[in-house]
This record gives sequence, C-alpha cells and structure tokens, in this order.
Amino acid sequence: AQKVTQAQTEISVVEKEDVTLDCVYETRDTTYYLFWYKQPPSGELVFLIRRNSFDEQNEISGRYSWNFQKSTSSFNFTITASQVVDSAVYFCALSEAGTGTASKLTFGTGTRLQVTL
Amino acid sequence: DGGITQSPKYLFRKEGQNVTLSCEQNLNHDAMYWYRQDPGQGLRLIYYSQIVNDFQKGDIAEGYSVSREKKESFPLTVTSAQKNPTAFYLCASRGGGAHEAFFGQGTRLTVV
Repeated sequence: AQKVTQAQTEISVVEKEDVTLDCVYETRDTTYYLFWYKQPPSGELVFLIRRNSFDEQNEISGRYSWNFQKSTSSFNFTITASQVVDSAVYFCALSEAGTGTASKLTFGTGTRLQVTL
Repeated sequence: DGGITQSPKYLFRKEGQNVTLSCEQNLNHDAMYWYRQDPGQGLRLIYYSQIVNDFQKGDIAEGYSVSREKKESFPLTVTSAQKNPTAFYLCASRGGGAHEAFFGQGTRLTVV
C-alpha cells in the first residue's frame, strides 16, 4: 500500500523567509513517481514538479527547490524568499508505476502555507 | 483549449437525493480520477479508471458510483447511501503512471 505523510498542517512565515515543506512517503514498488501540487484559494490544483524514483538529483526552479532522498523516503520542497503569493495549500503525491490498470495516485493531507508581510 | 471541465461549480441537493457530478476531458488521457476534499483531510481517492468500461474503487468508494462509457467522460454519482456528502469534489486525468495529473476546477456539493 502506498502512503504519503505531510506532518506539517500549517506553517506561517513572514515574507522573504525561507520555508521547507516536508513530505515522507511509503511504497513497496521500486519504480514510482512523486509530485508536488499547489492549491491556491480558487481551489484548482496546480502541478509544480514530478520526480521519478531513479532520479535523486535535486532540482531548482526559480525560488523553488526540491530535495529527494530515497534513503529517508522524503521529497521535501523549499521556497526561498517567500512571497505573499506563495500562500496556498501544498500537496505531495505518490504514484506507483502500475501495469495495465490505472495507477493509483495518492495525496498527502497537505500543508497550508501562510506568508504575511 | 485542452483541459478538464467539471460542472457545475456549486451544487445544492436535499438529503436523500442522488446527484451526479460531471467531468469531461479533451486531453486524450486514458486515466481519470475522482477525489474528495474535506478541510484538513487532503485529497482522498474515490474511484479511478484506466480505460473505457473499467474502473477501480479508491479509498472511500462507499456511497459513490461511477461510469466510464466514453474516454473523455467520467461522471460521479453521489448516492443517498453516502452519509456525509457535503464536500469539494475534484476530477483529474493523466496520460499514464509517470505523468502528472491535470485537475478540473472542482464541484462544491452541499447537501441540506
């Protein structure tokens, strides 16, 4: 069974602070995929990044960076110099490779990030 | 434009009535998903489907039913057996297990 844990329910920071959102996952598969999504107040989920289980390279995209560590089953997300527009709920998700039938896509409970001036 | 369309955005129903939520995609994706979101509980998987006429139960399928008669459509029926149907429902599709899912704008269902 696959599982995603986001232990941080809510985080509040002041603008320009760095913030890291934690994600820990469980899976029995050797091939799997990890995702991060952002959900602004409008409700629609916005895809941020995908990482497959064979690629442990960290990734940086502007102010966003992701740290994938298979040894600790973690896929953490860092926002550098946070801005008010970063305020949203962030979800981590896991998908096993699947064979033939649809692969299950499991989400964590999300972390609500509040960035204030 | 390609994407996923959920309708309606807001839906009100009386307790005991079945209600069907629409989800249509024109992305030519094989897999489609339905999630329920409650405050503080994240996204919970209701049903998912890989191909036409085939679907699997997710983690909270009780009280819900789906159909997949066309590749682009995956409607969800919330039946009267669902004890607490008031929630935000999200539909998604994706091209395969390695790919990200694309989401609709959601339907907020309120049962009174």
